[in-house]
Amino acid sequence: GAVVSQHPSWVICKSGTSVKIECRSLDFQATTMFWYRQFPKQSLMLMATSNEGSKATYEQGVEKDKFLINHASLTLSTLTVTSAHPEDSSFYICSATKTPGAYEQYFGPGTRLTVT
Amino acid sequence: DAKTTQPPSMDCAEGRAANLPCNHSTISGNEYVYWYRQIHSQGPQYIIHGLKNNETNEMASLIITEDRKSSTLILPHATLRDTAVYYCIVRVHSGTYKYIFGTGTRLKVLA
Repeated sequence: GAVVSQHPSWVICKSGTSVKIECRSLDFQATTMFWYRQFPKQSLMLMATSNEGSKATYEQGVEKDKFLINHASLTLSTLTVTSAHPEDSSFYICSATKTPGAYEQYFGPGTRLTVT
Repeated sequence: DAKTTQPPSMDCAEGRAANLPCNHSTISGNEYVYWYRQIHSQGPQYIIHGLKNNETNEMASLIITEDRKSSTLILPHATLRDTAVYYCIVRVHSGTYKYIFGTGTRLKVLA
């Protein structure tokens, strides 16, 4: 199999604080990981692509200083939402591929962030 | 911008085939078409993918037109558990391979 987990599954934080979301590939090494954001009743929007050991590539319009991505190992990527505000409340989903050009992305179960 | 367009919603009777269409008229010659589905508040689940030939697996069949400008996902015998949002995705290469999600089709299977 190819299982991707995320932690936490849901989190509530106060406005102005930072929150970290972890994405792990449990039974394979992920050369590339992706972070998506999904607002209610909307589609997934790609935020950034990260490769192990290198800086993440952010999609146009995504603030790299606000959404810090670290891909320090082949099984772990983290997304830190800094100085969170209510408009950052969303469903954050990560995915991973086994090789850079792999056909399939394996998705995590998602993390629901609520900023109060 | 998304390279795919899908109807926003469809209903299908349980036990019948569900045919979900997708238009991708700007697809390039080496870009694959993928189908995923997402059940409420979960991560997307892979269904099938193809380039130009029709494909079939244990979950579904994918029919791609000869000009590759559209495709149809077929769930041969829909069940209530197939109720989900189905995304038709084109995999593009822009520095790396990545998925561009469209708006998806909300399929409701009716008992």
